[in-house]
Amino acid sequence: DGGITQSPKYLFRKEGQNVTLSCEQNLNHDAMYWYRQDPGQGLRLIYYSQIVNDFQKGDIAEGYSVSREKKESFPLTVTSAQKNPTAFYLCASYRDLTGELFFGEGSRLTVL
Amino acid sequence: EDKVVQSPLSLVVHEGDTVTLNCSYEVTNFRSLLWYKQEKKAPTFLFMLTSSGIEKKSGRLSSILDKKELFSILNITATQTGDSAVYLCAVAGGTSYGKLTFGQGTILTVHP
Repeated sequence: DGGITQSPKYLFRKEGQNVTLSCEQNLNHDAMYWYRQDPGQGLRLIYYSQIVNDFQKGDIAEGYSVSREKKESFPLTVTSAQKNPTAFYLCASYRDLTGELFFGEGSRLTVL
Repeated sequence: EDKVVQSPLSLVVHEGDTVTLNCSYEVTNFRSLLWYKQEKKAPTFLFMLTSSGIEKKSGRLSSILDKKELFSILNITATQTGDSAVYLCAVAGGTSYGKLTFGQGTILTVHP
């Protein structure tokens, strides 16, 4: 079955450390997205990529970085510059046929 | 700046009740409005609406869009405990179909 795999599901990090969240899809979708979810604030867009080797900042890109070297993969790095990184991170890809975003299971990052 | 506002933020009902969830939006170059259900982790797609006045229906769930008044409603009839979830409304605007602006979500709790 096709889908989006995010890892790790849970991650703890000390302040000052960078951490990379993995997102892999086998749906053959061109566009991929990273969203952050905080309680009471819905989902906010961090970065997105519509094609390999190209990506765009979303609404809250500061303190994050991404790469898109392969169509299947869109990793997100949470850097030490991100002031409040504790959150639930969701990766998604765009399904052209239905016009929907298809989400992974998410990664919950806690900074100690 | 695109904006999506959902109401109510939370709702507690008993099985068998009918609920109406509201979503109002302001977006540049509106393309579509989407509803998602989030139970624990990954949001799952419910509906995509692009035209005013045309009801989308799936079982006990239905939704309609009013592009003149810039809002949508999601109705759930004969609620069940399995309907307990966060319901997210999102709007696609601009040039990237997958670049969604989400509302805060409505937390629905259905008691037996």
